[in-house]
Amino acid sequence: GNSVTQMEGPVTLSEEAFLTINCTYTATGYPSLFWYVQYPGEGLQLLLKATKADDKGSNKGFEATYRKETTSFHLEKGSVQVSDSAVYFCALTPISSGSARQLTFGSGTQLTVLP
Amino acid sequence: SQTIHQWPATLVQPVGSPLSLECTVEGTSNPNLYWYRQAAGRGLQLLFYSVGIGQISSEVPQNLSASRPQDRQFILSSKKLLLSDSGFYLCAWTGLVGAYEQYFGPGTRLTVT
Repeated sequence: GNSVTQMEGPVTLSEEAFLTINCTYTATGYPSLFWYVQYPGEGLQLLLKATKADDKGSNKGFEATYRKETTSFHLEKGSVQVSDSAVYFCALTPISSGSARQLTFGSGTQLTVLP
Repeated sequence: SQTIHQWPATLVQPVGSPLSLECTVEGTSNPNLYWYRQAAGRGLQLLFYSVGIGQISSEVPQNLSASRPQDRQFILSSKKLLLSDSGFYLCAWTGLVGAYEQYFGPGTRLTVT
């Protein structure tokens, strides 16, 4: 079956620090990969995505590269801000998922950025 | 552009009372629709999904049910709420093309007392 394993939190960083949140996956076929962000009390927002090997998704200073050889999709940001404090979810959907198109989520990583 | 709405935003209900949560999507046709529950502040549990009107797939057997009476409307219901039904309920949709990313609504915070 499909699964996503992401770095256990919580992660606490100082403002302007470098961020890495690790994500590895197991899937049949060639999945699409996603990072979602959830701010307190809100729904999930799509942060970035990648659909094939070596694709780099990027948005709001965040980046993640689809690494098929290591089955990874690590999230990075060069300089975090207090406003980046949130829970981050890694997720995948197999291209061959049929009509259901279900997402498989990781357990989420809580990020707190201190001023 | 597409938007997704959920209501109510918050709800406090006594044990044993009925439940109806509504989700509607605008700006797209024939979306897949999903209900998730998020308990304990983080993990997401897929409850139901629908690929078309009247078509509901259940992922977790429980006292909840879902219906899709219209193309862009998805309803989550219960006849009798349990304390364990408390949580944050999220609706999501995905389209027919692309990477099949899901787009989430703002959620409903349900507290069963």
